[in-house]
Amino acid sequence: GNSVTQMEGPVTLSEEAFLTINCTYTATGYPSLFWYVQYPGEGLQLLLKATKADDKGSNKGFEATYRKETTSFHLEKGSVQVSDSAVYFCALFFQKLVFGTGTRLLVSP
Amino acid sequence: GAVVSQHPSRVICKSGTSVKIECRSLDFQATTMFWYRQFPKKSLMLMATSNEGSKATYEQGVEKDKFLINHASLTLSTLTVTSAHPEDSSFYICSARYSGTGELFFGEGSRLTVL
Repeated sequence: GNSVTQMEGPVTLSEEAFLTINCTYTATGYPSLFWYVQYPGEGLQLLLKATKADDKGSNKGFEATYRKETTSFHLEKGSVQVSDSAVYFCALFFQKLVFGTGTRLLVSP
Repeated sequence: GAVVSQHPSRVICKSGTSVKIECRSLDFQATTMFWYRQFPKKSLMLMATSNEGSKATYEQGVEKDKFLINHASLTLSTLTVTSAHPEDSSFYICSARYSGTGELFFGEGSRLTVL
């Protein structure tokens, strides 16, 4: 079946560091891919998405590119802030939404 | 963006009792809502899909008699955990699909602890 694998956390970075959170997927069809973010005490929010191969989703300085050849959708940000501390979920949608396990990001001043 | 609210955010109950969790779309109508369960360090697992006015569709392995889902209106879905046991302790999250764009909006989650 369809599945999503993302790197285990926590990922601990200093402010202004470069961020990469790896995500790979397995799907029988051509899914849409998403990154969701969950800030402390809040619900899940859509961060960005890509619906087809080579699409790049971007929002709030975060980017992810749909790579069909490597079945990946890695999340990147050039310079993280303390306010980016949250749990990030990679997900795919093909008939239903399937989530990865989530990666906690901790950014210190 | 659209707001989805869950209540209660935390609930503690005794083994054998039933607990109801509400999921409301506050500023839009949602013909479809989804219920997820999240275990520690695990991904969100889809439990069931609920469509307004019809029976919920449960995922394989989810006991429909234990996890009762009702979607009586376009803004409210409820999940009732019946005869709760400690192994039902978990974080339950709902999401609602905005009919206009198909985008999913998530509630804050409800943490259930069964003693």
